[in-house]
Amino acid sequence: AQSVAQPEDQVNVAEGNPLTVKCTYSVSGNPYLFWYVQYPNRGLQFLLKYITGDNLVKGSYGFEAEFNKSQTSFHLKKPSALVSDSALYFCAVRDISERPDYKLSFGAGTTVTVRA
Amino acid sequence: DAGVTQSPTHLIKTRGQQVTLRCSPISGHKSVSWYQQVLGQGPQFIFQYYEKEERGRGNFPDRFSARQFPNYSSELNVNALLLGDSALYLCASSFSGGGYYEQYFGPGTRLTVT
Repeated sequence: AQSVAQPEDQVNVAEGNPLTVKCTYSVSGNPYLFWYVQYPNRGLQFLLKYITGDNLVKGSYGFEAEFNKSQTSFHLKKPSALVSDSALYFCAVRDISERPDYKLSFGAGTTVTVRA
Repeated sequence: DAGVTQSPTHLIKTRGQQVTLRCSPISGHKSVSWYQQVLGQGPQFIFQYYEKEERGRGNFPDRFSARQFPNYSSELNVNALLLGDSALYLCASSFSGGGYYEQYFGPGTRLTVT
């Protein structure tokens, strides 16, 4: 079985400060990991993914994420947050060792508020 | 290029009624998945279709059904609506059914059951 935990319901940062949104996962085999962002009354927008290779993944809008296999974590980071980054962020996992491997499991989400 | 489109945007139904939600994937994408997002929670997997065949379903009752058409668009049907079916229903498309391809989501259909 696969699952995702986002331990923080809310993250508040000042504009210009670093932003980190935490995610830990649980899978039986090897994971594919994803981050999505959701703005009010909108669908989910893809930010980045980890499939294999370099543990530091760069994505859209200046976001990056670090895969840590030993800690089963995939934290989302942005060096300098913008007010426009205020949104709901979801981490998702797919266990590629399971068959079928298509199902995405999402965390409960973390609300990010960036104050001016 | 157009993204994933869904219709209608909003829908209000009464308990016991039936509803059909529609989704058009990104051009070239052959896989469509459906998710239910209840307020305050992450999306929950309902179905995936690839090349017009159901590849699997999540932990949802038989009142939920779906199909994929030759043009890869998809419909989600929910019968005998319950108050608990009120949610945002998200459609996602991807190039193939699995592998390392990410899923791209539509704006969703907000279903309210009264």
